[in-house]
Amino acid sequence: GAVVSQHPSRVICKSGTSVKIECRSLDFQATTMFWYRQFPKQSLMLMATSNEGSKATYEQGVEKDKFLINHASLTLSTLTVTSAHPEDSSFYICSARDETTGVGSYNSPLHFGNGTRLTVT
Amino acid sequence: AQKVTQAQTEISVVEKEDVTLDCVYETRDTTYYLFWYKQPPSGELVFLIRRNSFDEQNEISGRYSWNFQKSTSSFNFTITASQVVDSAVYFCALSEGNTGGFKTIFGAGTRLFVKA
Repeated sequence: GAVVSQHPSRVICKSGTSVKIECRSLDFQATTMFWYRQFPKQSLMLMATSNEGSKATYEQGVEKDKFLINHASLTLSTLTVTSAHPEDSSFYICSARDETTGVGSYNSPLHFGNGTRLTVT
Repeated sequence: AQKVTQAQTEISVVEKEDVTLDCVYETRDTTYYLFWYKQPPSGELVFLIRRNSFDEQNEISGRYSWNFQKSTSSFNFTITASQVVDSAVYFCALSEGNTGGFKTIFGAGTRLFVKA
């Protein structure tokens, strides 16, 4: 149980174009999903918290207009990298908690998608 | 503010050796959770264990064991009789309940190489 599906796994796009990444919780509902970015051989940096039915909460330093997040349903969150540039090339990972498995939400482990490797040429 | 420190960037061991991965955390909350995740070369993160701030009991699961000590703010992870398949990056993570907004913050990770 608790599977998170992320698509696509790899994408190569040209500079200036936009790319959409989907994150789905397959067998559980998630009012909150988290988007991380990981540079080679580095840690996961939280970009934003996606909230179902409301605006995403972005971490300091993350451009809201560049990384558009939509959480339209309890099982789907999308991250759109707009006007992508080579410096946006990275590994993007979404995650969610199965909020039915514990008291409160912060104590539940995160379930991760397989990640999306974005290369902007 | 919450912070997780994994001082060991890379560790290399020979198969069957024991290895301990260190994790030190900082938090102002009295209620929090600690986690360990494994990221194999394939990239997908896998949850290994969680521990809440009120439970300092150490845990053993097969070849894995965890040592949680609040007095030193440490949550160390030991792999006994390491195997090549243990080669991966291991992340320690912290989630705060009161002030953290349910966010999970990760340490820098420790890359473990297990040689045959």
